[in-house]
Amino acid sequence: RKEVEQDPGPFNVPEGATVAFNCTYSNSASQSFFWYRQDCRKEPKLLMSVYSSGNEDGRFTAQLNRASQYISLLIRDSKLSDSATYLCVVNMWTGGFKTIFGAGTRLFVKA
Amino acid sequence: NAGVTQTPKFRILKIGQSMTLQCTQDMNHNYMYWYRQDPGMGLKLIYYSVGAGITDKGEVPNGYNVSRSTTEDFPLRLELAAPSQTSVYFCASSYPQGGGAITYEQYFGPGTRLTVT
Repeated sequence: RKEVEQDPGPFNVPEGATVAFNCTYSNSASQSFFWYRQDCRKEPKLLMSVYSSGNEDGRFTAQLNRASQYISLLIRDSKLSDSATYLCVVNMWTGGFKTIFGAGTRLFVKA
Repeated sequence: NAGVTQTPKFRILKIGQSMTLQCTQDMNHNYMYWYRQDPGMGLKLIYYSVGAGITDKGEVPNGYNVSRSTTEDFPLRLELAAPSQTSVYFCASSYPQGGGAITYEQYFGPGTRLTVT
């Protein structure tokens, strides 16, 4: 089983739609969680950190469920510019620093 | 600030050749990282460094070496290149606020696309 798993998609949605991505992680020692965005052939960029209390940044909402070991990302009112790959990232310290990137979920927003 | 810069942008190597991928950051970040990303896959950590003179292995260190003589530079050395090392290599840095690299945003360079034939 992969340590961090994401639905690869692609998700094809119309502009204005709401779309949700989930990410599951297997190591209960995981300590911090992030969503990164990666455009085609570009470097990843931080979208948002994920906190147990949940956090929101404009149209984006991230949630963490430690009991079930998953994180989620909700995008409301999708824009064409949201088309990208969304990477789930989990950090932990298990005798050494460990950061695990999910393979990513591709999103296409169409007009 | 230029952020994280990487050179070269592209490189083709023959099997058995060696090369060094350069990475420099001007944000005075303690932590630096090297990742590789294969097509359709997530990033995998090769090596990381928590400060000048200190480096440690990540998930996939075999076939690579690193050094960290200054805060700014973190070169990645490939010895005896193999086709399995064909990938996109990303360097990143972060600044631990309050201790540890666990919680903090990583800033990535634009990547080096390496092909080994």
